[in-house]
Amino acid sequence: DVKVTQSSRYLVKRTGEKVFLECVQDMDHENMFWYRQDPGLGLRLIYFSYDVKMKEKGDIPEGYSVSREKKERFSLILESASTNQTSMYLCASRTINQPQHFGDGTRLSIL
Amino acid sequence: ELKVEQNPLFLSMQEGKNYTIYCNYSTTSDRLYWYRQDPGKSLESLFVLLSNGAVKQEGRLMASLDTKARLSTLHITAAVHDLSATYFCAVDPHTGNQFYFGTGTSLTVIP
Repeated sequence: DVKVTQSSRYLVKRTGEKVFLECVQDMDHENMFWYRQDPGLGLRLIYFSYDVKMKEKGDIPEGYSVSREKKERFSLILESASTNQTSMYLCASRTINQPQHFGDGTRLSIL
Repeated sequence: ELKVEQNPLFLSMQEGKNYTIYCNYSTTSDRLYWYRQDPGKSLESLFVLLSNGAVKQEGRLMASLDTKARLSTLHITAAVHDLSATYFCAVDPHTGNQFYFGTGTSLTVIP
């Protein structure tokens, strides 16, 4: 079974802090994704990566950056956290012709 | 921009009844995925539909894909309370690695 592991289930940070969300997958998948999910807005893609050191912006990249130094790890960075970034963050990975496999999610609160 | 519309957005149904959730999308694609999300949890892959006319069944759920109509359906037979969840469809348009998710259908099965 594919395993996508997000480093924290719950995280509380303060406004202005730099926040790192980590995601690791164990199936050698090429593609990895970061989404945020908010009530009434569904899943919105922040960034995705199709290879090591490669990234593409999704629908809402502002205020975020990503890093993929190794194939199995995809990090989401909030450069200077703000309260409107309080949300559920979901990481996913996939290979071609297969569904995305999701981690358990990180519920992030910015105070 | 590719649009994926699900309806209904909210569905309340009695145990034992049948119902269908619809997923319409706005571009050519023969790859569509259905996911289930329980409250506070992440997304779990349900069905992978990879060609026109594909039909998959698991228990009381059956999914189908009509690529000419750009329509997928998720049919629920004799609903039980355990099926209460939010269901998402996701389209892979072959133009890169990004999926496009529907808005989700929140299903509540009432005893």
